Amino acid sequence: EPEVTQTPSHQVTQMGQEVILRCVPISNHLYFYWYRQILGQKVEFLVSFYNNEISEKSEIFDDQFSVERPDGSNFTLKIRSTKLEDSAMYFCASSESRLNYGYTFGSGTRLTVV
Amino acid sequence: GNSVTQMEGPVTLSEEAFLTINCTYTATGYPSLFWYVQYPGEGLQLLLKATKADDKGSNKGFEATYRKETTSFHLEKGSVQVSDSAVYFCALSESGNQFYFGTGTSLTVIP
Repeated sequence: EPEVTQTPSHQVTQMGQEVILRCVPISNHLYFYWYRQILGQKVEFLVSFYNNEISEKSEIFDDQFSVERPDGSNFTLKIRSTKLEDSAMYFCASSESRLNYGYTFGSGTRLTVV
Repeated sequence: GNSVTQMEGPVTLSEEAFLTINCTYTATGYPSLFWYVQYPGEGLQLLLKATKADDKGSNKGFEATYRKETTSFHLEKGSVQVSDSAVYFCALSESGNQFYFGTGTSLTVIP
């Protein structure tokens, strides 16, 4: 069964450093998403991406965050200057269309900012 | 706004016990409701969904009914197995573009 692949599974970074989280969505999917879950809290929407541009973003997704689809297969989330409160599990997801709600999630990247 | 409130965990059950995980929601419009499951080391997987009031979603022996009058979507299974041990997330979406999740409920089934 097709999978959404996220790398790395765990990343530790120092406060203030830039970090890039990588995702390979399912190849025929057109919509891409990032969510995050701070330990003990809800899974929160960050951003959706379609046709090479952001289609929706949450209040969390401020100027410190950016997304990119640098080639035909990868979808990345960049945090420019990490803060302690960015420590969370980050989930990438993709879907073929919005209407069938067929999200496929990756297994997540656990980001720890020290 | 939209939000989901989910039963606190962790939940530990013996094999073949009855499972209920409570989920209630608030929404501004007419959302679709979902249960996702995360097995250890894996991504979130769609378990079942219901798109309108009184619909029942079902999969792998799990069921949930969309109750508009009580704004609930409780997950049930009549007889759990060890392989059902996972974290279960209730979620809603109005547009399909953004999901609102609960905090997740960890279920451990012991033989």
